[in-house]
Amino acid sequence: ELKVEQNPLFLSMQEGKNYTIYCNYSTTSDRLYWYRQDPGKSLESLFVLLSNGAVKQEGRLMASLDTKARLSTLHITAAVHDLSATYFCAVHFRDMRFGAGTRLTVKP
Amino acid sequence: NAGVTQTPKFQVLKTGQSMTLQCAQDMNHNSMYWYRQDPGMGLRLIYYSASEGTTDKGEVPNGYNVSRLNKREFSLRLESAAPSQTSVYFCASSARPGTEAFFGQGTRLTVV
Repeated sequence: ELKVEQNPLFLSMQEGKNYTIYCNYSTTSDRLYWYRQDPGKSLESLFVLLSNGAVKQEGRLMASLDTKARLSTLHITAAVHDLSATYFCAVHFRDMRFGAGTRLTVKP
Repeated sequence: NAGVTQTPKFQVLKTGQSMTLQCAQDMNHNSMYWYRQDPGMGLRLIYYSASEGTTDKGEVPNGYNVSRLNKREFSLRLESAAPSQTSVYFCASSARPGTEAFFGQGTRLTVV
């Protein structure tokens, strides 16, 4: 059965600092997604990673995928308050399974 | 564009009552999904429909039934609500299984 593990589950950062969120999964998959969720809101797609070595960047966020290690990372560069949200990775096997989410808080 | 529309947005049920959560998408997607979101547990898949006319169980199907009414609509039914079903329910759709999913705004359900 596909298991998706994210860490850390909670992350409190100072503005301007860098940090990485990790997503490990247990079964070979050909695609991985990152989503963002603001409190009380729905999920918004951030990145789609389709192949080994794939790297996508949008603003201060960069996502990468290592299919051999079954690992994806979401790197945050020079964090700002607007990045405060919960971030989910999701992996497709027979269906789409989500990690538990990383609640990110960026403090001034 | 409306995208994925869920109704209702909020609902309070008494234990044992039944209700149906409605979901419709206007993106001509083939696949649709129902998830529940509980604190600290991410999103867990209840049921999905890979294409019109098919439905399959996800991780947590017990206590739920679904109907893929047509290509646009996918409903989730609770036959006899229990407090353990208190959650936020999200419907999503994608062009085909495994492709990028688009989510509705969620239904916050409380069972008392």
